[in-house]
Amino acid sequence: GAVVSQHPSWVICKSGTSVKIECRSLDFQATTMFWYRQFPKQSLMLMATSNEGSKATYEQGVEKDKFLINHASLTLSTLTVTSAHPEDSSFYICSACLGQGPTDTQYFGPGTRLTVL
Amino acid sequence: QKEVEQNSGPLSVPEGAIASLNCTYSDRGSQSFFWYRQYSGKSPELIMFIYSNGDKEDGRFTAQLNKASQYVSLLIRDSQPSDSATYLCAVYSGGGADGLTFGKGTHLIIQP
Repeated sequence: GAVVSQHPSWVICKSGTSVKIECRSLDFQATTMFWYRQFPKQSLMLMATSNEGSKATYEQGVEKDKFLINHASLTLSTLTVTSAHPEDSSFYICSACLGQGPTDTQYFGPGTRLTVL
Repeated sequence: QKEVEQNSGPLSVPEGAIASLNCTYSDRGSQSFFWYRQYSGKSPELIMFIYSNGDKEDGRFTAQLNKASQYVSLLIRDSQPSDSATYLCAVYSGGGADGLTFGKGTHLIIQP
């Protein structure tokens, strides 16, 4: 149980285009999903917290107008990187949480590798 | 500013020995602590979590937590080459469904 999928697994795009990444919880409903970004040889950095039916909460330094998050249902959250530039090239990973307690585990998706040319 | 510190390594351990991975955190109010394993190019996979002081064992893995020292560790017994990966320490500080704060990870190499 607790499987999280992401689509696409990798994407290459031209500078200036927008890219949408989907995160789905396959066998459970996730009130909350998280979006992380990981640059090479760096740790995961939380970008935003996505709550079903409400606006996402962004971490300091993350541009909400550039990284659009939509959590339309309890099983789907999307991250759209708008007007992507080469510096946005990274490994984007989502996670879904079963609950909101301190021991509720986050289950990670397989990640999406974005390369912006 | 919540910080989670790990020695980046690489930490080299002979096959069959015990690997010891350490992590310190800055937020004294942190409630839960997670260890994830990440292979190169893959997303993290959960090994175990701990939230009470002391030891917690799961198979070959033992997590140890000392909240007074703000220190959490992971022991891997009978290390196998397949354990070679980067181990990420992650801390949850509560206050709702907040995301995790990750350390930079320790690169572990198990030498056959």
